[in-house]
Amino acid sequence: NAGVTQTPKFQVLKTGQSMTLQCAQDMNHEYMSWYRQDPGMGLRLIHYSVGAGITDQGEVPNGYNVSRSTTEDFPLRLLSAAPSQTSVYFCASSPYGGADTQYFGPGTRLTVL
Amino acid sequence: DAKTTQPTSMDCAEGRAANLPCNHSTISGNEYVYWYRQIHSQGPQYIIHGLKNNETNEMASLIITEDRKSSTLILPHATLRDTAVYYCIVGDYKLSFGAGTTVTVRA
Repeated sequence: NAGVTQTPKFQVLKTGQSMTLQCAQDMNHEYMSWYRQDPGMGLRLIHYSVGAGITDQGEVPNGYNVSRSTTEDFPLRLLSAAPSQTSVYFCASSPYGGADTQYFGPGTRLTVL
Repeated sequence: DAKTTQPTSMDCAEGRAANLPCNHSTISGNEYVYWYRQIHSQGPQYIIHGLKNNETNEMASLIITEDRKSSTLILPHATLRDTAVYYCIVGDYKLSFGAGTTVTVRA
């Protein structure tokens, strides 16, 4: 199993551009989530999904959209990038939430100029 | 979600036990205590979790007080590779990471 994969590893955007961060898992996990981590800070939950077709907002959802059309994929869309979205983005998956562990991807380092 | 309080940083000697405290005084009855760690800039790594009883696995032990308002993560024999930021998290599937404790293991 590849686990949780994220692409790209690095990305530089200009203010106002849009892009999609990709996240995929091959463990047949129902629960997937996106976090952002700003320098020197902990991770903050952006959006999460408890299964295909079901998504919900986390702590900091503004400026981001998600969809979950398949169990494997959970892309994160930045609609109009802003410098405040410069961060490291982590995707995670878990068998079915609750007390289960979460498996994190390697992260995408995004810089918005 | 319940919030946690952890020391900002701590040092530990290699080979000694590292005891990492966490306060979670507002924890509710169905919320678990999770511990994760993040080495350098990698994705966080799960360590252990528990509800009421003490737990032990190959990485660490988790001691939860009877009133569940605090817990301690124990790394029994710290190595240099245990240098990381350790996060104590309370909740369900919507995990919320605070700033964590930066643990530095020194030779």
